[in-house]
Amino acid sequence: DTEVTQTPKHLVMGMTNKKSLKCEQHMGHRAMYWYKQKAKKPPELMFVYSYEKLSINESVPSRFSPECPNSSLLNLHLHALQPEDSALYLCASSQVAGANYGYTFGSGTRLTVV
Amino acid sequence: QQQVKQSPQSLIVQKGGIPIINCAYENTAFDYFPWYQQFPGKGPALLIAIRPDVSEKKEGRFTISFNKSAKQFSLHIMDSQPGDSATYFCAARGSTLGRLYFGRGTQLTVWP
Repeated sequence: DTEVTQTPKHLVMGMTNKKSLKCEQHMGHRAMYWYKQKAKKPPELMFVYSYEKLSINESVPSRFSPECPNSSLLNLHLHALQPEDSALYLCASSQVAGANYGYTFGSGTRLTVV
Repeated sequence: QQQVKQSPQSLIVQKGGIPIINCAYENTAFDYFPWYQQFPGKGPALLIAIRPDVSEKKEGRFTISFNKSAKQFSLHIMDSQPGDSATYFCAARGSTLGRLYFGRGTQLTVWP
């Protein structure tokens, strides 16, 4: 299995809702990432998990809450989002170190906040 | 401060042409340089990647040229096809937890 699977593919939520994005990989990668991507822009790093521990938080607002329950799963919990948070949310995984630095992205969750 | 600078922002070529996308970086600690292809509504897909101890790498119609002394690298697409029309991002991997620094992207259009 060489994929990163993200669910749901599309999500519409109100500003008072609570929702979660899910990411799963079975490649044995011990680093997992959340990126946010706006239209016609490069992905922006949000969070990095290394060996299931949060290692990097790029000053992301607290309305985004990441969770890494095990080495294969990564969640992003959403609460009280703003319309400007509408974007494509990408999950990625990679080996932490070594010669193979393959960095695999999922297809993303298209989030619309209304 | 942008860690990886990419040009051009957009590129239009005819089928069979050889589009070239250029990237430059400053941080000599970067140790891995991938190129990603992204179609609308999809996540970025790894196209080809190179390490700084290699000057050129080919995979099918895609070639990376890497100039370590100039801190520049480029993507060449041979015999380009309309199906190559997409946004291309160069990136560089930092040594800290493998985080990637992306260029701003190049929107490539290949006319039939």
